[in-house]
Amino acid sequence: DAKTTQPNSMESNEEEPVHLPCNHSTISGTDYIHWYRQLPSQGPEYVIHGLTSNVNNRMASLAIAEDRKSSTLILHRATLRDAAVYYCILRDPISSGSARQLTFGSGTQLTVLP
Amino acid sequence: NAGVTQTPKFQVLKTGQSMTLQCAQDMNHEYMSWYRQDPGMGLRLIHYSVGAGITDQGEVPNGYNVSRSTTEDFPLRLLSAAPSQTSVYFCASRQTSGGSGTQYFGPGTRLTVL
Repeated sequence: DAKTTQPNSMESNEEEPVHLPCNHSTISGTDYIHWYRQLPSQGPEYVIHGLTSNVNNRMASLAIAEDRKSSTLILHRATLRDAAVYYCILRDPISSGSARQLTFGSGTQLTVLP
Repeated sequence: NAGVTQTPKFQVLKTGQSMTLQCAQDMNHEYMSWYRQDPGMGLRLIHYSVGAGITDQGEVPNGYNVSRSTTEDFPLRLLSAAPSQTSVYFCASRQTSGGSGTQYFGPGTRLTVL
């Protein structure tokens, strides 16, 4: 299965942009790139996903490298409420069984400094 | 919509006791799954279901049973609780089987086994 690599932790100042990197050098052509985040004492929540093109939504932007071997989640203006663990996950719609479910790594702990 | 609901929020068991963690969703999602999260770790898949009457094992199924008699409910049974099952348990659901389906998580059940 394709794996992702993320830094263990990152810090950002409040109201500044945050770029959270993810490496996925063994990504297959059919893998979608998903980002979820987990606020303290809560279940994970969906942030954004993409396949090949960059994506924007109200929460964040996802920049995907041309070769798809890496991606970056961009929070345009970090707030204290954005402090969470951010997970970069690959999902392959072609796979079967448990491989179709989300596989979580250890993610990146984002600290936002006031 | 209430989304994904889980009960109880907290539970303390003695070794050897059995119990059922409840999970329900009101979004008519086909896919449901159970994860456990140990301190400082990512989520690991226990069991999942692709529809009523269909369940399968995930990464860490031992010691747990599931059933899916309705689309809405997906209970997780601990057969004989062990201290190693102390964890936070998350239930999740999603609609599509494709790579782009958004997964919705419940708030979690915090289980302690003494």
